[in-house]
Amino acid sequence: GENVEQHPSTLSVQEGDSAVIKCTYSDSASNYFPWYKQELGKRPQLIIDIRSNVGEKKDQRIAVTLNKTAKHFSLHITETQPEDSAVYFCAASSIGNNDMRFGAGTRLTVKP
Amino acid sequence: EAGVAQSPRYKIIEKRQSVAFWCNPISGHATLYWYQQILGQGPKLLIQFQNNGVVDDSQLPKDRFSAERLKGVDSTLKIQPAKLEDSAVYLCASSLRLASYEQYFGPGTRLTVT
Repeated sequence: GENVEQHPSTLSVQEGDSAVIKCTYSDSASNYFPWYKQELGKRPQLIIDIRSNVGEKKDQRIAVTLNKTAKHFSLHITETQPEDSAVYFCAASSIGNNDMRFGAGTRLTVKP
Repeated sequence: EAGVAQSPRYKIIEKRQSVAFWCNPISGHATLYWYQQILGQGPKLLIQFQNNGVVDDSQLPKDRFSAERLKGVDSTLKIQPAKLEDSAVYLCASSLRLASYEQYFGPGTRLTVT
């Protein structure tokens, strides 16, 4: 089955700096890669996703890149703000069954 | 639109007791998922329903966990008997259909087994 690895496990940045979180996956059939943000005690919320027919997607300060050959994808947050502090999870799933596998998460802290 | 509803929000039980969780997905969503999220880890898929049929339960510990979605809407997840290592947040999620990617999560049930 699919195995998703996520790095780093913790990340601390200064407000205004950029943050990058990286994930690798094992199943070449995976074609959907969402990123979820989870604040303490709250539900995971989808912040951005990318499908295998696209190499990059951007939404305001958040962008995701995908390298299908290397089987890795990354989340980029620019101009970080304290409210970006949360745990971020990457995930991967394949068409038809939506059998989502999650990474272990990255705890991002943005210092004001 | 109303989101995914779950109850209870918190539950404390002793080991070897039984517990049940309830989930009501977003109206019209055919696919429902149960995840287990142990503290400090990502959600782990336990079981996936399409309407009232099981699509994937390969990671469900079937000797103690069971789940059903009898009418293709609400779902219950049961643990019997509970073990200490079952302490986790149990998240329910739903999506419009099997091949639609976006999953929407409920608030979760935090289970503590003592």
